[in-house]
Amino acid sequence: SQTIHQWPATLVQPVGSPLSLECTVEGTSNPNLYWYRQAAGRGLQLLFYSVGIGQISSEVPQNLSASRPQDRQFILSSKKLLLSDSGFYLCAWSHAAGTEQFFGPGTRLTVL
Amino acid sequence: AQSVTQPDIHITVSEGASLELRCNYSYGATPYLFWYVQSPGQGLQLLLKYFSGDTLVQGIKGFEAEFKRSQSSFNLRKPSVHWSDAAEYFCAVGGRNNNDMRFGAGTRLTVKP
Repeated sequence: SQTIHQWPATLVQPVGSPLSLECTVEGTSNPNLYWYRQAAGRGLQLLFYSVGIGQISSEVPQNLSASRPQDRQFILSSKKLLLSDSGFYLCAWSHAAGTEQFFGPGTRLTVL
Repeated sequence: AQSVTQPDIHITVSEGASLELRCNYSYGATPYLFWYVQSPGQGLQLLLKYFSGDTLVQGIKGFEAEFKRSQSSFNLRKPSVHWSDAAEYFCAVGGRNNNDMRFGAGTRLTVKP
């Protein structure tokens, strides 16, 4: 069966510091991968998606970036965090575009 | 662009009562529709999905949803709510070959004993 992992589970970072969140998927190959941000009391905002190694599509211009160095690894990064980057970050995978997505447990990021 | 509206931000029902959560969508082609549930501090779990065929779909945990194209709706129902159903529920719309799945703002369900 497939599983998806995210770490760290929680993170507190000062403004201006770098960020690296990692997501890995097990039990499948060539998944589509997604990064979402969920602000308190709001729905999910798609940040990035990837259909293959090195292929990244950005949905929202911001100071975040994503990379996919391996087939089942998806990384969300920032060089300098802003207060507005605080939120709950969710990674997800799907077999193909448009099909159901399966979510990881999330990372709670607080920027102080 | 596609969008989803969940008109109810917060719903409270008594345990054992029936439940209906509303979802309206906007999509220019044949929609793929989903309901997810999220417990506090957790990821999202898929309850059910609709791609095509029978407009009444069954999901996990006793949930069902009905696709009504004429009303652009995909409401979630459960005949008898359990205390463990208390959570946040999200409706989402996507489409074939479309990676941009859009989620509603969510409906928070509280279950009274």
